[in-house]
Amino acid sequence: DIQMTQSPSAMSASIGDRVSITCRASQDISNNLAWYQQRPGKVPKRLIYDASNLESGVPARFSGSGSGAEFTFTISSLQPEDFATYYCLQHKIYPRTFGQGTKVEVK
Amino acid sequence: EVQLVESGGGLVQPGGSLRLSCVVSGITLSDHSMDWVRQAPGKGLEWVGRSRNRAESYSTEYAASVKGRFIISRDDSRNSLYLQMNNLKIEDTAVYHCVGLIMDVWGKGATVTVSS
Repeated sequence: DIQMTQSPSAMSASIGDRVSITCRASQDISNNLAWYQQRPGKVPKRLIYDASNLESGVPARFSGSGSGAEFTFTISSLQPEDFATYYCLQHKIYPRTFGQGTKVEVK
Repeated sequence: EVQLVESGGGLVQPGGSLRLSCVVSGITLSDHSMDWVRQAPGKGLEWVGRSRNRAESYSTEYAASVKGRFIISRDDSRNSLYLQMNNLKIEDTAVYHCVGLIMDVWGKGATVTVSS
């Protein structure tokens, strides 16, 4: 199985901060990676697909980069509604595997 | 609008069985691969398995943690996806979501509690 190591597991940030989250795959997954946002009590929502493509309707402050085994998710200027937990998901190989999640909290 | 509605959750003893259902609307189910994803209380997301579409012969994939115990099936005529869970363990306690991962459509989930 492919292990997805996501870091950090939690972070404190302020409105307007630039936030970055990393996912490392245990093997090459090309660009077969998605990023999800999960707000408390809600189902996850995909923000980024194929490592760097923004889902329709998702604000441009969200971005993704990387390929192979190392990926980065960035929020360029944190907004109040962005305090949530973020997950990466590899969909190169079965079984699909999520990262452990990164909780972005108010500083 | 695509909607997924799960049912069948509940409290079950370790070693017991439970069957979750997911009614799908807004799409032709046979055209779509569907997944189950679970989330234990206060924990992260865990992919459980997939039922591929008719074109891919409805083949299935499972996470190692459930392989041999869980079975995903579907009845396209009833627009329904199922998750048969056998030999349940305490660590299977979670909210189980029916998901169209490719479409990014999620059901609200069914709660399964495994406890004696």
